[in-house]
Amino acid sequence: EVQLVESGGGLVKPGGSLRLSCAASGFTFSYAWMSWVRQAPGKGLEWVGRIKSKTDGGTIDHAAPVKGRFTISRDDSKNTLYLQMNSLKTEDTALYYCTTAGSGYYYHFDYWGQGTLVTVSS
Amino acid sequence: DIQMTQSPSSLSASVGDRVTITCQASQDISNYLNWYQQKPGKAPKLLIYDASNLQTGVPSRFSGSESGTDFTFTISSLQPEDIATYYCQQYDNLPTTFGGGTKVEIK
Repeated sequence: EVQLVESGGGLVKPGGSLRLSCAASGFTFSYAWMSWVRQAPGKGLEWVGRIKSKTDGGTIDHAAPVKGRFTISRDDSKNTLYLQMNSLKTEDTALYYCTTAGSGYYYHFDYWGQGTLVTVSS
Repeated sequence: DIQMTQSPSSLSASVGDRVTITCQASQDISNYLNWYQQKPGKAPKLLIYDASNLQTGVPSRFSGSESGTDFTFTISSLQPEDIATYYCQQYDNLPTTFGGGTKVEIK
């Protein structure tokens, strides 16, 4: 059974930093393209970024609102995805999900974690 | 970025009604469109992929279709358990983008 478990969320002041983790199990993590998607309270879904598998080059792409502030990384030896968030803004307040697609797909987000809440407030 | 204009933003229908939600892409995205269901307090669930393909295990009352840059999601007979917010998502170009969502309620 595929499981994605996010952690690391919390309350942080504007300008602060936070690192989110997503522990994966039930599939071959090293082959998977992994994404972060966030959802501000009462709002819709917003893609944050994606990291390809190392076999596909390990390319990382971030959405414009977070580019230069957030960094996605992975540790395939630990089956874990990360999101390093720096220079946080109040508008980054959201539930952050890690997600991945089923075998053979990249953006069909079939598997989701439960999310971890990040609150940016003074 | 490709904009996905989803409508309506909310709707209220009776059990057994046919429900239709549309998404219009700001440019050609071929059939690179998915539909998700999100129930309150839960993560989204993939229902339809590549515009019209039903994900395994999803009831057949859900369907999707496309016509150019216009995409339609249909629930043929609304059930109480279908109360949720539905989102479209294009993945033709990065960033992959979602529609604004449609909240479906029971009348």
